[in-house]
Amino acid sequence: EIVLTQSPTTLSVSPGERVTLSCRASQSVSGDLAWYHQKPGQSPRLLIYGASTRATGVPTRFSGSGSGTEFALTINTLQSDDFGVYYCQQYNNWPPMYTFGQGTNLKIK
Amino acid sequence: QIQLVESGGDLVKPGGSLRLSCVASGFTFSDYYMSWVRQTPGKGLEWLAYITGTHHNTYYADSVKGRFTVSRDNAKNSLFLEMNNLRAEDTAVYYCARDVSMTLDVWGKGTTVTVSS
Repeated sequence: EIVLTQSPTTLSVSPGERVTLSCRASQSVSGDLAWYHQKPGQSPRLLIYGASTRATGVPTRFSGSGSGTEFALTINTLQSDDFGVYYCQQYNNWPPMYTFGQGTNLKIK
Repeated sequence: QIQLVESGGDLVKPGGSLRLSCVASGFTFSDYYMSWVRQTPGKGLEWLAYITGTHHNTYYADSVKGRFTVSRDNAKNSLFLEMNNLRAEDTAVYYCARDVSMTLDVWGKGTTVTVSS
């Protein structure tokens, strides 16, 4: 099973700042990585797929990068709506065996 | 408006069974693969099962293989998860999600399953 490790676990940031979240895979997943954002009491929302492609309607301040085992999600000019938990997910298996990272909790400083 | 609505979550005793449903609207349901994912405070997000759109091929996580069964009724725009031999560790919020090239682009709000005596 491919394990995804996200860092940091928790991050406190002020609105307007730029932040980079990390996701590391235990073995190469090529570019088969997605990022999701979940606000309290809500279901996850897809932000990025294919490591760097924004999903429909996702603001351009969100960008994804990386391949193989090291990935990053960068959020420029943080807004209050951006706080919550961010998860990465890999889908580089066949038969399908998706795994998620444990999440990074982005909090308001 | 694209929407997924889950139902069927309940309190059930260990060893019991439950059937979850998910009704889709706003898109051509049969064109899409669908997945079930659950979330617990302790284990986070866990993918459970996936079913293809037309041929209904299914795949499962090892943790639920043999106990859970995913199915769908395209005529009723509905997805199901039959859960048997439930354990305390199956306690979670269960989401259905639309699966596009193995990413989950639309999620329901979830339904809560509690397994406890």
